[in-house]
Amino acid sequence: DTAVSQTPKYLVTQMGNDKSIKCEQNLGHDTMYWYKQDSKKFLKIMFSYNNKELIINETVPNRFSPKSPDKAHLNLHINSLELGDSAVYFCASSWGLAVSYNEQFFGPGTRLTVL
Amino acid sequence: EDKVVQSPLSLVVHEGDTVTLNCSYEVTNFRSLLWYKQEKKAPTFLFMLTSSGIEKKSGRLSSILDKKELFSILNITATQTGDSAIYLCAVGGWGETSGSRLTFGEGTQLTVNP
Repeated sequence: DTAVSQTPKYLVTQMGNDKSIKCEQNLGHDTMYWYKQDSKKFLKIMFSYNNKELIINETVPNRFSPKSPDKAHLNLHINSLELGDSAVYFCASSWGLAVSYNEQFFGPGTRLTVL
Repeated sequence: EDKVVQSPLSLVVHEGDTVTLNCSYEVTNFRSLLWYKQEKKAPTFLFMLTSSGIEKKSGRLSSILDKKELFSILNITATQTGDSAIYLCAVGGWGETSGSRLTFGEGTQLTVNP
């Protein structure tokens, strides 16, 4: 199936641990994103990569580090997890910057719970 | 900073009712406005609007954009329980990087009771 996929779907961990979330898209898109959706359901952009290059880096603690090994993959590594990091993290992808429209396709989300 | 405000934040109706969801925005160099439906998992795309006054329609759902007044509405007629979801409005702007940036509103939680 063509889609945006994320692993894992659920992640439960202790404060202070380091964890990674992986994202892959097979839609041929050039641009990928990480969003955080908190308990109030507000979806906020964290990072965006276009052809492996970081183009959006919102005010996010530097404990969060994205990595894009190629344009089909965007991973998110989080160091020293804190309680406030508990949220659902969505990966998304879209066509590149030159294309007229910016419809984004979302992955299923990773629910992170920090205890 | 780009801003999207949705109203109401939550809405409870009975099956068969018609609902109107509102989205107002402020964005630098407007490019498009998008509506998404979020049930239990990922937001799924409904509509993208780029031109004022042109209605987009899909079954019982329709949406229209007013670029002069900076708002959009999403209408759902003859609501069904399966329409229960969070409806998200997002806007994108032109620019070197803002062309790929979407700013989301808080969403409207719609509950349709049988």
